[in-house]
Amino acid sequence: KAGVTQTPRYLIKTRGQQVTLSCSPISGHRSVSWYQQTPGQGLQFLFEYFSETQRNKGNFPGRFSGRQFSNSRSEMNVSTLELGDSALYLCASSLDGGGTEAFFGQGTRLTVV
Amino acid sequence: TQLLEQSPQFLSIQEGENLTVYCNSSSVFSSLQWYRQEPGEGPVLLVTVVTGGEVKKLKRLTFQFGDARKDSSLHITAAQPGDTGLYLCALGGGVTGGGADGLTFGKGTHLIIQP
Repeated sequence: KAGVTQTPRYLIKTRGQQVTLSCSPISGHRSVSWYQQTPGQGLQFLFEYFSETQRNKGNFPGRFSGRQFSNSRSEMNVSTLELGDSALYLCASSLDGGGTEAFFGQGTRLTVV
Repeated sequence: TQLLEQSPQFLSIQEGENLTVYCNSSSVFSSLQWYRQEPGEGPVLLVTVVTGGEVKKLKRLTFQFGDARKDSSLHITAAQPGDTGLYLCALGGGVTGGGADGLTFGKGTHLIIQP
């Protein structure tokens, strides 16, 4: 079966702009989680969506938001981009979420200039 | 305070050598996952360990969960260039104490196997 698909793979944005990233989970998986990966901080949990509801949230500012659609596809939005938002953004899908075994997409590499 | 400490941070060895990397926590955890991430890709789950003292093998990789469930190790026998990557350990949900129940990752061990 198809894996987790993230689009776009690469993105370059200017400070102050906003960006939307997309994730299509594995068919049948209802949980989608988002992570930010940077060399300094490693992988950090952003939020998790389950059945169209945000179930958990990490320690990130309100500029980071997301949503999940009825087909389990999820989008993540970052507003008023800062240079420090440059990172690899990873989406993970799982059957039930809550920290169970996760299957990751290839990520979106965001560069803020 | 980092919930999960991984060591070493970087490791470069020759093909055919053996190696062990470690994942430690000051708290007891219920389960631990190991992932490998290759450049330009997302992490791929290798194994989940649940029981204290548990040992799991995946070809040349041996994963061990400490008896006290506060540490884990990954041992690779006869390393090959294809083993190169970032090895991450992760705790399952409900352990951060801050209401965030996603996976909590260590910062990983960057492993390079030179031919």
